[in-house]
Amino acid sequence: AQSVAQPEDQVNVAEGNPLTVKCTYSVSGNPYLFWYVQYPNRGLQFLLKYITGDNLVKGSYGFEAEFNKSQTSFHLKKPSALVSDSALYFCAVRDRGSTLGRLYFGRGTQLTVWP
Amino acid sequence: DADVTQTPRNRITKTGKRIMLECSQTKGHDRMYWYRQDPGLGLRLIYYSFDVKDINKGEISDGYSVSRQAQAKFSLSLESAIPNQTALYFCATSDPRPDQETQYFGPGTRLLVL
Repeated sequence: AQSVAQPEDQVNVAEGNPLTVKCTYSVSGNPYLFWYVQYPNRGLQFLLKYITGDNLVKGSYGFEAEFNKSQTSFHLKKPSALVSDSALYFCAVRDRGSTLGRLYFGRGTQLTVWP
Repeated sequence: DADVTQTPRNRITKTGKRIMLECSQTKGHDRMYWYRQDPGLGLRLIYYSFDVKDINKGEISDGYSVSRQAQAKFSLSLESAIPNQTALYFCATSDPRPDQETQYFGPGTRLLVL
């Protein structure tokens, strides 16, 4: 079975501080991993993905994520948070060996960056 | 993402009514998906289609049906709407190539069933 866990419903951080949004996953094979962001009244926007290669993936808006196979984690990070980063963040996984091609999403983490 | 459009953007309907949500895409992708989003539950897959002749149920397909009219169009129907189908509905598309796994989402349809 495939699943994604985002253990924190909310993350609060001061502007200028580093932020981390946590994600752990479970797949039967090797994963493709994704982060999406949802701003109010908008659809989900792709941030970054891990397919293969370097475990540190860099994405849009200064975000990055590190794939850790031993800990089955794919935490989203940014060195210096902005108020405009406040949004709902979703982690998603797909089993690389699956022919179905569907993603499994976590429940989302609401990030609030206060000035 | 303007490449994936959904209509209507907002809809209020009554219990028992039939309603259709439409999705169109200009990305040329074969794969299309319908999700619903509920607070605290994330996105759950309703139906997905890998091409015009291939339609599959997702994890919460009961009470819903779909139609893939063309590569670019994928409609979701609620045959007899009920209040617990009140949610935010998203359409998405993706490229089937293994290194192009990203899904692209429409802006969503907010549905309220009274």
